[in-house]
Amino acid sequence: DTEVTQTPKHLVMGMTNKKSLKCEQHMGHRAMYWYKQKAKKPPELMFVYSYEKLSINESVPSRFSPECPNSSLLNLHLHALQPEDSALYLCASSQDFRPELNYGYTFGSGTRLTVV
Amino acid sequence: QKEVEQDPGPLSVPEGAIVSLNCTYSNSAFQYFMWYRQYSRKGPELLMYTYSSGNKEDGRFTAQVDKSSKYISLFIRDSQPSDSATYLCAMTNPLNNDMRFGAGTRLTVKP
Repeated sequence: DTEVTQTPKHLVMGMTNKKSLKCEQHMGHRAMYWYKQKAKKPPELMFVYSYEKLSINESVPSRFSPECPNSSLLNLHLHALQPEDSALYLCASSQDFRPELNYGYTFGSGTRLTVV
Repeated sequence: QKEVEQDPGPLSVPEGAIVSLNCTYSNSAFQYFMWYRQYSRKGPELLMYTYSSGNKEDGRFTAQVDKSSKYISLFIRDSQPSDSATYLCAMTNPLNNDMRFGAGTRLTVKP
């Protein structure tokens, strides 16, 4: 299995809703990432988990809450989002967080989130 | 000045053409270089990963790194309509594990 699987593919939520995005990989990768991508822009890093511990939080608002239950799963819990949070949310994984050991990232297809 | 500069295009070429995509960077700490391809409404797909200066070839794709000039390139030979996508360069600083993407170049290969 060489894929990163993200669910759901599409999500529409109201500003008062709570929802979660899910990401799964079975490649034995020990680093997992959440990125946010707006249209025609490159991905922006949100969070990094390395060996199931949160390593980087890029000053993301608290309405986004990451969770790494085990080495194969990564969740992103969403609460009280704003319309400007509408974007493609991408999960990625790599063998290791250290660039000399990771040989690039494998990205999922993303969850397209619309906040209404 | 942005740390990574990439011309967003759009770039349009006829089928069979050789495509040249480029990025420049300002931070000499970047040591690892990648090219990703992203189709519309999909996640980026890793095409090439390189470390040292020089060329790396994989099928129709050649990645070139010139660390002295802080310049990287991706060449696509015999381009196909299926190569139409956005191409993102990315590079990593091993001192802080910081990876930066270029803006992405939108490529269209016309039949």
